[in-house]
Amino acid sequence: AQSVTQLDSQVPVFEEAPVELRCNYSSSVSVYLFWYVQYPNQGLQLLLKYLSGSTLVKGINGFEAEFNKSQTSFHLRKPSVHISDTAEYFCAVSQTGANNLFFGTGTRLTVIP
Amino acid sequence: NAGVTQTPKFQVLKTGQSMTLQCAQDMNHNSMYWYRQDPGMGLRLIYYSASEGTTDKGEVPNGYNVSRLNKREFSLRLESAAPSQTSVYFCASRPGPWEKLFFGSGTQLSVL
Repeated sequence: AQSVTQLDSQVPVFEEAPVELRCNYSSSVSVYLFWYVQYPNQGLQLLLKYLSGSTLVKGINGFEAEFNKSQTSFHLRKPSVHISDTAEYFCAVSQTGANNLFFGTGTRLTVIP
Repeated sequence: NAGVTQTPKFQVLKTGQSMTLQCAQDMNHNSMYWYRQDPGMGLRLIYYSASEGTTDKGEVPNGYNVSRLNKREFSLRLESAAPSQTSVYFCASRPGPWEKLFFGSGTQLSVL
């Protein structure tokens, strides 16, 4: 079965600074990878996904992620964060074509004014 | 479109009581899911249904049962609730494995 590790449970960062949220997965087969965001008191929304092809994936709100097969990673980045980016971010993985989807434990991003 | 509708939004149970969480989607999605969300543990997959008539266990199925009643509805049943089942439960659906999940608004369940 696939599993996801989000190494940082909390990441504080100053406004307009860059941020990287780390995600590593374990799988011996090809995978689909997703990043979701959960704003306070809201449901989860998709930020971006990697299915195949280009390893650099661009998502909504200026976020991007890079798939690195050799390091089994899918780190999320943003060059300049805003207060409104304060939220919890979840990485998720499934085996290519499989219907299950496994989430990591989440990273709480706090943007400091 | 209503999207994914979950009921109830809040529920308090006593240990040993049973209840069913209802979920319905009106987007004609094939796949439906039940997750629980606990602080520091992210979302954990309880059960999922790839298509009407099929269900599969996720990471934490013990203590739960599911029914995919038809393409629209996927219910989650707690036969004998335990305090460890206190959590926020989310139903979700999507057309296929390459697509994003559409989430319901969640059910906050407390088991005393």
